[in-house]
Amino acid sequence: EAEVAQSPRYKITEKSQAVAFWCDPISGHATLYWYRQILGQGPELLVQFQDESVVDDSQLPKDRFSAERLKGVDSTLKIQPAELGDSAMYLCASSLYGGAGETQYFGPGTRLLVL
Amino acid sequence: GENVEQHPSTLSVQEGDSAVIKCTYSDSASNYFPWYKQELGKGPQLIIDIRSNVGEKKDQRIAVTLNKTAKHFSLHITETQPEDSAVYFCAASSNDYKLSFGAGTTVTVRA
Repeated sequence: EAEVAQSPRYKITEKSQAVAFWCDPISGHATLYWYRQILGQGPELLVQFQDESVVDDSQLPKDRFSAERLKGVDSTLKIQPAELGDSAMYLCASSLYGGAGETQYFGPGTRLLVL
Repeated sequence: GENVEQHPSTLSVQEGDSAVIKCTYSDSASNYFPWYKQELGKGPQLIIDIRSNVGEKKDQRIAVTLNKTAKHFSLHITETQPEDSAVYFCAASSNDYKLSFGAGTTVTVRA
């Protein structure tokens, strides 16, 4: 069964350092999502791509976060500089077209700890 | 934007008993309501979903009900088993396709 791949699974960094997370969606899925999940809370959407274009980044802290999906396949989320409050699980998800009521398939996530 | 509230935050049930999780939403335009199960160290996995033109949906031991008038929906798990222990999230979306999640319910099934 096809799955969303993410790496690394765990990342420990010091504040003010740069970190990057990678996601490879299910093959053929046009829509890719990055979510942040703070411990004890549900996932919150950071950015949504349709192919290589950003369709929603309204909740992305653009002063320190950036995301790209250059060839419309895999994607990278970067934080620079990292802050203590960025400690969370970063989840990537994908769906076939991004249409209403379409299933989103999640990867295993990257757990980030900022010291 | 959409606000989804989920209760209870924790639920402990005896194996074989039923578990019920309830969610309310704020946006009357919401029309898609999925439920996700998240096991330790894994990403959320869809277990069942319901659309606004349906009042109830069942899949083996799992059922979801929707009351659009009251803006609430519920997950029912019957004959619970140890492998049902996990965190469950409800979510809602409207025509903007954006999923808003509840805070999650940690379900523990006692053997």
